[in-house]
Amino acid sequence: SQELEQSPQSLIVQEGKNLTINCTSSKTLYGLYWYKQKYGEGLIFLMMLQKGGEEKSHEKITAKLDEKKQQSSLHITASQPSHAGIYLCGADLSGNTPLVFGKGTRLSVIA
Amino acid sequence: DAGITQSPRHKVTETGTPVTLRCHQTENHRYMYWYRQDPGHGLRLIHYSYGVKDTDKGEVSDGYSVSRSKTEDFLLTLESATSSQTSVYFCAISERGGRTGELFFGEGSRLTVL
Repeated sequence: SQELEQSPQSLIVQEGKNLTINCTSSKTLYGLYWYKQKYGEGLIFLMMLQKGGEEKSHEKITAKLDEKKQQSSLHITASQPSHAGIYLCGADLSGNTPLVFGKGTRLSVIA
Repeated sequence: DAGITQSPRHKVTETGTPVTLRCHQTENHRYMYWYRQDPGHGLRLIHYSYGVKDTDKGEVSDGYSVSRSKTEDFLLTLESATSSQTSVYFCAISERGGRTGELFFGEGSRLTVL
């Protein structure tokens, strides 16, 4: 959905490097969800953020939601080949409606 | 892993033929969704259901119909398939709707319309 803009569209990083993926909307993000998709497979839930300023971490992945609740970032520390895939952000833009998704960020991690 | 099964996983069909994709869940979740994923467009909502026989349209519902006669099954039908409906279709379920409910996705059904 164009209501959610993800950047960059694709990213190639060297193993061990840090990276950040952004998800931006002109509307309030009532609930922001990060998913990971391995090539040819379904989407795996990573994290959910709801409150402005909220930050969550799981292993080497940290997600943040800004205070205005219009932008989220996903940060990966010391990237590994297992981090490769497509990262998608999804959000409820109206308060209680099905999630709309960004177009995804394709991440490649090279040795 | 959430118990979601999509069938068929792969299908090739010809323009003008009807196609039905099935999504089956064993989680007893209330909400079920059909999305399609296309290069350059990401994931877009086709239809969703918030209960048995309760469905609503999504962003790209034209050319698609759905039915939900049981909690566990959500069917997506293409009455007369067109090449523009070549896509990967994902079913998702959630216990709660909207901002309070994370989605669990199936493995996807790849449809090719020749």
